Amino acid sequence: EAQVTQNPRYLITVTGKKLTVTCSQNMNHEYMSWYRQDPGLGLRQIYYSMNVEVTDKGDVPEGYKVSRKEKRNFPLILESPSPNQTSLYFCASSTPGGEQFFGPGTRLTVL
Amino acid sequence: QQPVQSPQAVILREGEDAVINCSSSKALYSVHWYRQKHGEAPVFLMILLKGGEQKGHDKISASFNEKKQQSSLYLTASQLSYSGTYFCGTEERYNQGGKLIFGQGTELSVKP
Repeated sequence: EAQVTQNPRYLITVTGKKLTVTCSQNMNHEYMSWYRQDPGLGLRQIYYSMNVEVTDKGDVPEGYKVSRKEKRNFPLILESPSPNQTSLYFCASSTPGGEQFFGPGTRLTVL
Repeated sequence: QQPVQSPQAVILREGEDAVINCSSSKALYSVHWYRQKHGEAPVFLMILLKGGEQKGHDKISASFNEKKQQSSLYLTASQLSYSGTYFCGTEERYNQGGKLIFGQGTELSVKP
């Protein structure tokens, strides 16, 4: 089944404790993205990647890192999480035609 | 800069029609529409490209006025399953949909 998977789905952590949210797609898509979703603000892009080892900032990259060492994986790293990074996070991959497939989401709470 | 969607919310009875608008201050290459049901991930509806034709499937269609940098999503004879939040995403240049800027969303509720 074609899909984007994210782990973990739910995470509660404390300020400053490094964490990684994994994202994997099995559709051989070149483009992958990370978004955060907050009430009233819609989906805001954090980072995107055009292919292996090629990444670029989206609209809200501060406090986040990404890497793309393999085509299928695009992990999101929070080196020192803060409470304002409490949010719902979505990973997505895009077909060449531009259709984005979203993962199920990761709900992160930073205390 | 985020595109602006209007209205922010709309309540319909089954069978009624609705229009959701998306407006950008920048010249656009494409407009993408997604629907997100409560507690789920966004799901792709359609893409409209600069110079392309109005698109649609079933009773959901959309148009793109590239001169005005505006797109409209039309939902006709609404069904309960249409309920959810609709997002437009805009692209200023071709990026395989990889660099979308989404609007804040329009919450649509369809009542029996």
